[in-house]
Formats: sequence, C-alpha cells, structure tokens
Amino acid sequence: GQNIDQPTEMTATEGAIVQINCTYQTSGFNGLFWYQQHAGEAPTFLSYNVLDGLEEKGRFSSFLSRSKGYSYLLLKELQMKDSASYLCAVMDSNYQLIWGAGTKLIIKP
Amino acid sequence: IAGITQAPTSQILAAGRRMTLRCTQDMRHNAMYWYRQDLGLGLRLIHYSNTAGTTGKGEVPDGYSVSRANTDDFPLTLASAVPSQTSVYFCASSETGSPTEAFFGQGTRLTVV
Repeated sequence: GQNIDQPTEMTATEGAIVQINCTYQTSGFNGLFWYQQHAGEAPTFLSYNVLDGLEEKGRFSSFLSRSKGYSYLLLKELQMKDSASYLCAVMDSNYQLIWGAGTKLIIKP
Repeated sequence: IAGITQAPTSQILAAGRRMTLRCTQDMRHNAMYWYRQDLGLGLRLIHYSNTAGTTGKGEVPDGYSVSRANTDDFPLTLASAVPSQTSVYFCASSETGSPTEAFFGQGTRLTVV
C-alpha cells in the first residue's frame, strides 16, 4: 500500500531552526510536495522536489532522497507566523497526490 | 482575484438530507479535486476530474458524487448524508498530467447530525 509518515507534532523556539521529516512508500514517484496549512485555512504550496538534493527558498529549504524514500523541510529563523501544520505529499505514477497526515508545528517565544 | 471559491463556508445538515457543495475556479485549470480532511488522517481524495466531461473515483468515493459540465465548476453531492461525513471539505485545482502545485479553496466545514 501507499504510505506517507511524518511526526504528528513538533515544538520549536522563535528564531531557531526546525527540521520536519517525511518518509514515503508509494507506487511510482513524480515528485514530493510540501504545503503549509494554518489552522482553519486552506493548504498553500511551499516546495516541490523531484530530483535528489536540497532546494532552498528563502527561510525554507526542502531536501529529497529518492533512494531512501525520505524528505525533510527545514525552516530557519523561525517566526511566530510559522506556527502551522506542514503537509508532505507525494505524486504517484498516476499523477495523484498521496498526503501525509501533517505535522503541527508550535512556535514558542 | 483569481482562485477557487467554495460555498457554503460551513453547514450543519440533518442526517439523510441531500447536500451539494459548490466549487468554482477561474484559473482555467483542467484538473479539479475534492478532498476531505479529518483530524489525524490528512487529506483524502474523494473524486477528481482531469478535464471537463470526465470524472474519477478517489480513495473514499462512497456516498459522494460529482459532475464536471464545464471547466470552471465541480460540485460535490452527498445524496443522503450520514454522521461519518462530518468533515472539512476542500476543493482544489491544478494543471493536468504534470507535477504542478494544487490550489485550494477555503474549505467547507460540514457537520452531519
């Protein structure tokens, strides 16, 4: 079966760095997405990785290892507004997105 | 402002009643999706449409139906609501056939009592 695993909840301090991990087992692979979802709002796109390596976009970076079925989202210089859920999703061979349950990130002052 | 609009924002529905959740996009995306989001389970695909006139079943299609008469609209119908259909429903759209980001509506919070 297809499976996406990520931690349920993480806590970090304002100004610090946090890494949110995602492991996956899917039928086929056409890329991995990270989305941010604030409470009560819609998910919004953060990043897309299809090749191994690190993609950097401002304070956010996303890493992919296809051989290990592993990705992480790295958030630097954390701000209170980064408190949200972070969703990992893999696009399978049918170009359908398989979603993880999300990681709720709590930022403390 | 371009995007996806869902209606209603929230609804309390008596079990057994019929309900249609509306979704409209103005980005001319070919692909549209309906997801439900439940605590601890993540987003689960209910139905999808890769282009106007075609629809397909997702992971959890039972009790739901959709239609895609044109590019912009993708309504989701619950023929006879049950309490297990209490959830937050998100409509999304994207380009077809390639890995591109999906754009989401603001969601419909549905409670079936």
